[in-house]
Amino acid sequence: SQQGEEDPQALSIQEGENATMNCSYKTSINNLQWYRQNSGRGLVHLILIRSNEREKHSGRLRVTLDTSKKSSSLLITASRAADTASYFCATVGGSARQLTFGSGTQLTVLP
Amino acid sequence: GAGVSQSPRYKVAKRGQDVALRCDPISGHVSLFWYQQALGQGPEFLTYFQNEAQLDKSGLPSDRFFAERPEGSVSTLKIQRTQQEDSAVYLCASSSSLLDYEQYFGPGTRLTVT
Repeated sequence: SQQGEEDPQALSIQEGENATMNCSYKTSINNLQWYRQNSGRGLVHLILIRSNEREKHSGRLRVTLDTSKKSSSLLITASRAADTASYFCATVGGSARQLTFGSGTQLTVLP
Repeated sequence: GAGVSQSPRYKVAKRGQDVALRCDPISGHVSLFWYQQALGQGPEFLTYFQNEAQLDKSGLPSDRFFAERPEGSVSTLKIQRTQQEDSAVYLCASSSSLLDYEQYFGPGTRLTVT
């Protein structure tokens, strides 16, 4: 079963704008990760944030985590057409090693 | 270096046939995972290996699904007597150590059962 919901399900923006995606989850976690999936390709790891962290940056990516609300957000700044993809949050909890994925956000960046 | 590879990339099976899907993880990676991704959904966990030991198979949907990793490297996911609901993309992922939570995914095998 999916861990939770991602919001919005689909997002369309112009190149150069910022894109924000949100993720909610249900159970306690060790860490939360964001992955990108281009059409017809495998998933690519973007960033990991641990349960004791509140914010993390990597290049044009900014991730926040609010464990009290069981939610996370991914911000992509200065978006490019190449950022067009599906974005998934995924959690790791307890002693488990596997990822539990959300339902994903389809991002379209228009040139 | 080489990433995770999977074969075949596409597989069409008639209902009732058995299929075998192969995963070659990144060399030296300890952990190996299989996921099933239905169209428009996020991947769902099937099973997990640490070296050759299958430590978690709680996600396998039925006893028609079987996975092995006999030498702690290549893994095979076998589906017996395929059903239409088995149609999905099957993703394999590996990670380097027990301390590394980041997973590296292969391109997947798209299985279509007709």
